[in-house]
Amino acid sequence: QVQLVQSGAEVKKPGASVKVSCKASGYTFTSYGISWVRQAPGQGLEWMGWISAYNGNTNYAQKLQGRVTMTTDTSTSTAYMELRSLRSDDTAVYYCARDPGRYSGSSGDYWGQGTLVTVSS
Amino acid sequence: EIVLTQSPGTLSLSPGERATLSCRASQSVSSSYLAWYQQKPGQAPRLLIYGASSRATGIPDRFSGSGSGTDFTLTISRLEPEDFAVYYCQQYGSSPRVTFGQGTRLEIK
Repeated sequence: QVQLVQSGAEVKKPGASVKVSCKASGYTFTSYGISWVRQAPGQGLEWMGWISAYNGNTNYAQKLQGRVTMTTDTSTSTAYMELRSLRSDDTAVYYCARDPGRYSGSSGDYWGQGTLVTVSS
Repeated sequence: EIVLTQSPGTLSLSPGERATLSCRASQSVSSSYLAWYQQKPGQAPRLLIYGASSRATGIPDRFSGSGSGTDFTLTISRLEPEDFAVYYCQQYGSSPRVTFGQGTRLEIK
């Protein structure tokens, strides 16, 4: 069965960086992309970006350009999302999702359990 | 960027009733690249509908999606107790810029 398992909760200080992992199993990792979506406390869903696990191509949300980097490690079927220069409004639950999009982000059909990132001094 | 506006913000209905949720886009969504998700408290979103009207794997047939262009609808034909949740629409037709609506809360009346 398809599973995406994310790394554990993080607490970071403003200005620091965080790197969240998402380990996939139950399907051919390189046949899909991975999208990242975040949700601030009590708020809606915000799309952050997409990466192709086939060739590493990425698309990022404009507001996060320059602060976010998404990568994959095909040898371990793991995707990573790094967010730099953290601010308090980056506090959110971060989700990865399997994405069938071949050239850019589309709908996420299987989701990780979420990783809470708290940014606080 | 395409802005998605969902209505109503909150919908109060009883089990067994029919629910109609709306998602309106600020520009036409190409190729009907519109998805719907369900999210319950403390859980990840769950894909219900993609391509505006295709049900995702394992989704009951009481869920249906319709629409094209700028107006899309999610219909739940007969509400079950487990259907009370928050619903989001998402467009991915203007990739690379994927956007979500702000959500509709479906609550028990």
